[in-house]
Amino acid sequence: KAGVTQTPRYLIKTRGQQVTLSCSPISGHRSVSWYQQTPGQGLQFLFEYFSETQRNKGNFPGRFSGRQFSNSRSEMNVSTLELGDSALYLCASSPDFSGHGNFGPGTRLTVL
Amino acid sequence: AQKITQTQPGMFVQEKEAVTLDCTYDTSDPSYGLFWYKQPSSGEMIFLIYQGSYDQQNATEGRYSLNFQKARKSANLVISASQLGDSAMYFCAMREGGSSNTGKLIFGQGTTLQVKP
Repeated sequence: KAGVTQTPRYLIKTRGQQVTLSCSPISGHRSVSWYQQTPGQGLQFLFEYFSETQRNKGNFPGRFSGRQFSNSRSEMNVSTLELGDSALYLCASSPDFSGHGNFGPGTRLTVL
Repeated sequence: AQKITQTQPGMFVQEKEAVTLDCTYDTSDPSYGLFWYKQPSSGEMIFLIYQGSYDQQNATEGRYSLNFQKARKSANLVISASQLGDSAMYFCAMREGGSSNTGKLIFGQGTTLQVKP
């Protein structure tokens, strides 16, 4: 079975731009969660989707949004980028809410 | 509120020796799960081991074991016979269960482990 894939792997943007990151879960997995990892704040939960519905949202501003499609693929969008949005964005998939998350390789976003 | 604390920012261990990485947690939910992940420099999070709050026995997975002390709210990871490839960042994480119905994980700050040859 193919693992979780994330595209793109690396991204450089400038302040004020917007960005869309994609996550393809393991086949058959319906739950996708997103995390932001920075040296200062560590790993923080962004949001969680299950069967196209957002089930949970972390403490992030409205500039961060996401969605999940009928094939369970998920995208997250960050609008009006700020320097502090530079981070490794990780997504994890699981069959449902139980079990451990299978993480993808991450997208490293740099905002200049 | 749930919280995970890892008090060791960095650890060194000699190759082939055992090492314990500390993790304490705080939650008011009687049903929860505890996880350990390894993150090499490449960035990908690799699942190592899981312990459920109602599990009577400590979890083991190959060279990894979890020393679960519920009363002390600790879930330390023990790596036996360390290998050079074990050098990485290690994260302890918790998911509240019960009626939460969520896959959301709360992570600790991580411990960087360096294995010396």
